[in-house]
Amino acid sequence: GAVVSQHPSWVICKSGTSVKIECRSLDFQATTMFWYRQFPKQSLMLMATSNEGSKATYEQGVEKDKFLINHASLTLSTLTVTSAHPEDSSFYICSASLLAAYEQYFGPGTRLTVT
Amino acid sequence: GENVEQHPSTLSVQEGDSAVIKCTYSDSASNYFPWYKQELGKRPQLIIDIRSNVGEKKDQRIAVTLNKTAKHFSLHITETQPEDSAVYFCAPSSWGKLQFGAGTQVVVTP
Repeated sequence: GAVVSQHPSWVICKSGTSVKIECRSLDFQATTMFWYRQFPKQSLMLMATSNEGSKATYEQGVEKDKFLINHASLTLSTLTVTSAHPEDSSFYICSASLLAAYEQYFGPGTRLTVT
Repeated sequence: GENVEQHPSTLSVQEGDSAVIKCTYSDSASNYFPWYKQELGKRPQLIIDIRSNVGEKKDQRIAVTLNKTAKHFSLHITETQPEDSAVYFCAPSSWGKLQFGAGTQVVVTP
C-alpha cells in the first residue's frame, strides 16, 4: 500500500515554456502533499506544502508565481513550472502523507531538462 | 527554521564492517526522525524511523538511536554489504515537514 506515482518521469522542454508535473496517491487519500527539488549531488529541498482544497504554502525563496501548485483532490497534486529556464532543470519529487501521520510516501520523481 | 547537519559526508567501509552516520538538528519541536536511502536517480526510500518517545529502534542490520537532549540521532548499519552502497539522508521532522540533511555517500567495498 501507500503508492505514489508521478507523471511524466522525465521531460525536456524549451526555455520559456511551461511544464506540468502530476503527483498521484494511488491507494490512499493524501491530506497533504509536498514538492521537493533535488539538484545533482545535492539534498532534497522542500519547495512547498499543499493541503487538498487550500492554497499551497511555499518555503522561503521559492517563487509561488513561477511554481504553481494545485491540490484539487485528495489523490492529485500538480506542479507547473512556468516560463522554465535552464536553471530550473532538476529532479522534482513529490510526497504524500495521511492526516496526522508522520511518514511521507515519495513519488519516483520527474527529471526536468530545460534547453 | 531547522538546521540539520549530517556527518560524515562520505563513508567508505569494507564489506562486513559497520557504518555509523550522525545527524544533528536544532529544532526542539522535532518529533519524528527518519533515515532515507537514495540510489542514483531514484526516490528516497525510508529504511528506519524513530519517534521522539523512543531512544532506540532496530530492524535486522539497521538501527537508529536518538538523543533528544543533545538533539542528535544516528544510523547504524552492521555487517555492511555492497548493496548498502547509496546516499543516506536524515530528515528530522517538526510540524509534519521533513528537513533533509546534506547526505552521506556510503561506499561498501567487497
